[in-house]
Amino acid sequence: KQEVTQIPAALSVPEGENLVLNCSFTDSAIYNLQWFRQDPGKGLTSLLLIQSSQREQTSGRLNASLDKSSGRSTLYIAASQPGDSATYLCMAGGNQFYFGTGTSLTVIP
Amino acid sequence: DAGVTQSPTHLIKTRGQHVTLRCSPISGHKSVSWYQQVLGQGPQFIFQYYEKEERGRGNFPDRFSARQFPNYSSELNVNALLLGDSALYLCASSLGTVLPTNEKLFFGSGTQLSVL
Repeated sequence: KQEVTQIPAALSVPEGENLVLNCSFTDSAIYNLQWFRQDPGKGLTSLLLIQSSQREQTSGRLNASLDKSSGRSTLYIAASQPGDSATYLCMAGGNQFYFGTGTSLTVIP
Repeated sequence: DAGVTQSPTHLIKTRGQHVTLRCSPISGHKSVSWYQQVLGQGPQFIFQYYEKEERGRGNFPDRFSARQFPNYSSELNVNALLLGDSALYLCASSLGTVLPTNEKLFFGSGTQLSVL
């Protein structure tokens, strides 16, 4: 069974800092890796989707990379802002969907 | 355009009761999937439906069932509720295809179920 782990569980940074969130998965036979953000009491918003044949995807200040062989993905956030404060979840996709437990990010003004 | 809508937003039930949660996908989306999110954890996949047929199933007991209607909306049913079923239930839609797929998922805000 696929297991997805996210480290750290919580992160607090000052505004403007660049940061990296980590996601690891045990089964490298994934179809894709998707990153989401979740605001308190809300649903999930898709940020980036990396197909298994791709190495990275970029959207604005966000860059996600995928290394299937090592079972890792990272989400890089440049020049963090208070509005980036949320929980970030990664999901390994295939015939089922497997989520990590998330990283709670707080950006301090 | 409206996003994914779920109803009700909050629900309180007692142990042993039955509950039905509803989801309307984004217009034009034909696939709906359901997730259970316990406080402090990531969502767990329950079901995926495409063209009214179950296309994927997570590791949940038979007390959980779902269906998809001709208009692509969906219902999640849970029988014989347990205290441990208390969670946020999320629905997501996508354009639609069988699994596996590279389509992005669009989530609703969820139904918060409390079982007393």
